Amino acid sequence: NAGVTQTPKFRILKIGQSMTLQCTQDMNHNYMYWYRQDPGMGLKLIYYSVGAGITDKGEVPNGYNVSRSTTEDFPLRLELAAPSQTSVYFCASSYSSGSIDEQFFGPGTRLTVL
Amino acid sequence: GEDVEQSLFLSVREGDSSVINCTYTDSSSTYLYWYKQEPGAGLQLLTYIFSNMDMKQDQRLTVLLNKKDKHLSLRIADTQTGDSAIYFCAESISDNNDMRFGAGTRLTVKP
Repeated sequence: NAGVTQTPKFRILKIGQSMTLQCTQDMNHNYMYWYRQDPGMGLKLIYYSVGAGITDKGEVPNGYNVSRSTTEDFPLRLELAAPSQTSVYFCASSYSSGSIDEQFFGPGTRLTVL
Repeated sequence: GEDVEQSLFLSVREGDSSVINCTYTDSSSTYLYWYKQEPGAGLQLLTYIFSNMDMKQDQRLTVLLNKKDKHLSLRIADTQTGDSAIYFCAESISDNNDMRFGAGTRLTVKP
């Protein structure tokens, strides 16, 4: 199993540009998550999904959109990039929510908005 | 407070013990976790403790939980240079599908 894969690894965007961060998992996990990690801060949950066709907002959803058309894929969309969205973005998946079910993380996408 | 709190930096010498401390927020959290993040990589679950336990030991790792003070610690015995990483404390949030992470403690192990 490849686990959780994310593309791209790095990206520089200009203010106002759009992009999609890709996330795929091959573990047949129901739950998927998008976090952002800012320097000196803990991970903040942007959006999560409990299964195909179902998404919900996390702590910091503004400026982002997600979709979950398949179990495997959970892309994160930035429509109008802003400097405040400069961060490292992590996708994660788990078999079910919270509790003992471990969240498996992708390697991250480092995004800079200039 | 609303945040999971950790000190940001810890430096130890190889062979010494490391103790990373964390204060969490939700007294009803069922599980508390320690994740390890190596440079350029995602987080990996290192260990976890169920909230009805006071201590959990796993080889060089010892987790202590003080529910009264909402304090969690991770002790790494005989710390090695390969232990250099950022360690995140996290709690499961009881009323939703979320986990709350601390800012991470950067552990540096000097030879």
